[in-house]
Amino acid sequence: DIVMTQSPLSLPVTPGEPASISCRSSQSLLYSNGYNYLDWYLQKPGQPPQLLIYLGSNRASGVPDRFSGSGSGTDFTLKISRVEAEDFGVYYCMQSVQVPVTFGQGTRLDIE
Amino acid sequence: QLQLQESGSGLIKPSQTLSLTCAVSGGSISISGYSWSWIRQSPGKGLEWIGHISHSGSTLYNPSLKGRVLISEDRSKNQFSLHLISVTAADTAVYYCARDFDSSGHFDHWGQGSLVTVSS
Repeated sequence: DIVMTQSPLSLPVTPGEPASISCRSSQSLLYSNGYNYLDWYLQKPGQPPQLLIYLGSNRASGVPDRFSGSGSGTDFTLKISRVEAEDFGVYYCMQSVQVPVTFGQGTRLDIE
Repeated sequence: QLQLQESGSGLIKPSQTLSLTCAVSGGSISISGYSWSWIRQSPGKGLEWIGHISHSGSTLYNPSLKGRVLISEDRSKNQFSLHLISVTAADTAVYYCARDFDSSGHFDHWGQGSLVTVSS
């Protein structure tokens, strides 16, 4: 299985400040079609994960443009340009280039 | 607006079979381009993909479940189901159903989740 490793595991942030989360995979997520099969999700308490970014850098419908995804191969980053109150929760990266689909262990974004 | 809703047994005993159903509204499970997944989340193992059934009825499972899992569909009711046999306490989790894009693999719609506890 492809192992997804996120860092940091906990990220205290002051609202209005930027935030960055790293995700590394044990194998390349770059498929032969040129796409990286890496997604980002945000989970708030009591809710299912919600899609933020798919194929490495594409924002899902309705996701604010303060969220951006970048990277290729085995190293990926999710950036929030200015954190807002609604952004707090646990962020997960996920790969789907190989079965089984696997998730990172999560990064908790907390109010500092 | 696509909606998914899990239902099923909340408390089951070890060695029994876990059964959950995901009712889909606002869209058909038979539309090409999508598959329908089960994902679970437990404190100990985080998020774990269980498997999926495609719009054509073919299935794919996580090898870690070692043949204990079956995902089926009922197109007349526009729903799909999860059966996990020989459960243990390690199968205690919140179980989610979700839709995934065949071309890109991401999950764009999720159910609210159903807590299943395995305990004698």
